[in-house]
Amino acid sequence: QQQVKQSPQSLIVQKGGISIINCAYENTAFDYFPWYQQFPGKGPALLIAIRPDVSEKKEGRFTISFNKSAKQFSLHIMDSQPGDSATYFCAANDHNYGQNFVFGPGTRLSVLP
Amino acid sequence: EPEVTQTPSHQVTQMGQEVILRCVPISNHLYFYWYRQILGQKVEFLVSFYNNEISEKSEIFDDQFSVERPDGSNFTLKIRSTKLEDSAMYFCASSVAGGERYTFGSGTRLTVV
Repeated sequence: QQQVKQSPQSLIVQKGGISIINCAYENTAFDYFPWYQQFPGKGPALLIAIRPDVSEKKEGRFTISFNKSAKQFSLHIMDSQPGDSATYFCAANDHNYGQNFVFGPGTRLSVLP
Repeated sequence: EPEVTQTPSHQVTQMGQEVILRCVPISNHLYFYWYRQILGQKVEFLVSFYNNEISEKSEIFDDQFSVERPDGSNFTLKIRSTKLEDSAMYFCASSVAGGERYTFGSGTRLTVV
């Protein structure tokens, strides 16, 4: 119930391509869905986040698409760049339950020059 | 941009020894967290701290773990008697509001030998 599933485990994209990472959850009480980017040796950094009252949120080249009925959300990285190569984690939180996040297992993205 | 600072960056300790991991959260943040990431695995919640007390803890956070805010700036995680399976990257995070917009530190890599 508290799990967040994430796919693919790893992704290789050519420079300029679109990277798509998908997440799914079971707990319908989740009400906040952030994406974190992590470079080797660094802590996760908040990239973009969405609440379930909207279906899409865009910030620069990063877009979250949210499908409440399917309990799925995805991260799209447009015009992917080698500097985007990192591990991406989706996460979810139920504010009524507490302040902690449940993280997905991560996707290692490699963008080839 | 304000940062969460963690020290040390790497600590090696013998099994059974006590370790203290230190964090300086962002100064105007009110919620503090510890997460851990075993190598190559997902980020897991340990504990959240608000108003000078633990507000939530996970099953991982058993009696060998404790947290403290000894002064107005530091937030510490103590592991009383380390085990081999405690080897992981430990991340401190802080936020203004509970369960939103975490800022993570760069982590402390704990190696128990």
